[in-house]
Amino acid sequence: AQTVTQSQPEMSVQEAETVTLSCTYDTSESNYYLFWYKQPPSRQMILVIRQEAYKQQNATENRFSVNFQKAAKSFSLKISDSQLGDTAMYFCAFMKPLFLSAGNMLTFGGGTRLMVKP
Amino acid sequence: KAGVTQTPRYLIKTRGQQVTLSCSPISGHRSVSWYQQTPGQGLQFLFEYFSETQRNKGNFPGRFSGRQFSNSRSEMNVSTLELGDSALYLCASSLGLAGGLNSGELFFGEGSRLTVL
Repeated sequence: AQTVTQSQPEMSVQEAETVTLSCTYDTSESNYYLFWYKQPPSRQMILVIRQEAYKQQNATENRFSVNFQKAAKSFSLKISDSQLGDTAMYFCAFMKPLFLSAGNMLTFGGGTRLMVKP
Repeated sequence: KAGVTQTPRYLIKTRGQQVTLSCSPISGHRSVSWYQQTPGQGLQFLFEYFSETQRNKGNFPGRFSGRQFSNSRSEMNVSTLELGDSALYLCASSLGLAGGLNSGELFFGEGSRLTVL
């Protein structure tokens, strides 16, 4: 079974600064997807960024980028130029591709509560 | 394009009762997954339905069940409610197909907050 660990329950960052959220995972698979989801206080989970394990290039989405270290099973999220709207719970998640799994199933980490301060 | 819609948003039940939650996926999505979110256990996978068939199931007791209709709408049911069933229940939809640029991407609803007294 896969496990996902987020070692930072809470973090804070000043507006406009950069913050990095950590995530490690454990799997015996070589093909999989990794995600960072954001859950603002309004509760709707939103996909922030997605990484396919077979791609060596780190994914980026505007101010969000990841540092994917496959051998170390590490998948950290960097948020640049932090904004007040980035305040949320951030969840790291793992999914096996459909050809290796019975269906779509996300395994989530415990989450990191990020507070962006003005 | 409308997002994932969950109803009801809030509900209060007492122990021993049953509850049914509904989820309408994004148009064109054939996969609907359900997750339970609690402060203690975090986010846990309940089950996934694809084209009216349960395709995957998490480690929950048989009191938790679900179904999917031909229009991809899904319901989940919890019978004989226990205090520990108090949680936010999240529904997520996806295309549910292997391969493609958006493989694995799930779109979540706002959730149904269940309180069991």
